[in-house]
Amino acid sequence: AAGVIQSPRHLIKEKRETATLKCYPIPRHDTVYWYQQGPGQDPQFLISFYEKMQSDKGSIPDRFSAQQFSDYHSELNMSSLELGDSALYFCASSIALQGNYGYTFGSGTRLTVV
Amino acid sequence: AQSVTQPDIHITVSEGASLELRCNYSYGATPYLFWYVQSPGQGLQLLLKYFSGDTLVQGIKGFEAEFKRSQSSFNLRKPSVHWSDAAEYFCAVGGPNQGGKLIFGQGTELSVKP
Repeated sequence: AAGVIQSPRHLIKEKRETATLKCYPIPRHDTVYWYQQGPGQDPQFLISFYEKMQSDKGSIPDRFSAQQFSDYHSELNMSSLELGDSALYFCASSIALQGNYGYTFGSGTRLTVV
Repeated sequence: AQSVTQPDIHITVSEGASLELRCNYSYGATPYLFWYVQSPGQGLQLLLKYFSGDTLVQGIKGFEAEFKRSQSSFNLRKPSVHWSDAAEYFCAVGGPNQGGKLIFGQGTELSVKP
């Protein structure tokens, strides 16, 4: 079965650079969630989209922005990268904003800022 | 505010022994409760979830969890641990009005001794 695809799997950037992380949801899933997991930390909710509109926002820095496109894939844009942005970034997708939380996580993008 | 507490940061059990990972939650209404497992550098895999009904929930890989409202707990159990169960385990809470957002606990790292 198709899963949530995240790209790239690994990314190394220097401080103050920008990064773009991509998430391709499971076909027919209309909702995407982004989470950030720092080293040894629990995943923290960043932002979610439903039908291409932002539906909720968590502890996402102003330096980050995200959007969901017409094909439902989502991109997380990160500017002025800081060392503390080094983390595993997960995307999850589901059908419909609420419901039974039937969502699936991707394998994540590991971002390292040097 | 909603929160999840996993009191044990690290647990070591012998292969074949039983396992119980603790999870306590704080949530104002009826919670949706989840257990995820994460192998090093990997994504989050859903083990089981509870929404309503029978308070003893069966999951994949021989895991089960019991919802105890009076104790605000959702402990994960397995009768006989296998070496391949060594991983990080996360308890998470959501709810019908959370827009699909999950709040994770800090995680419990499980080591398995031969």
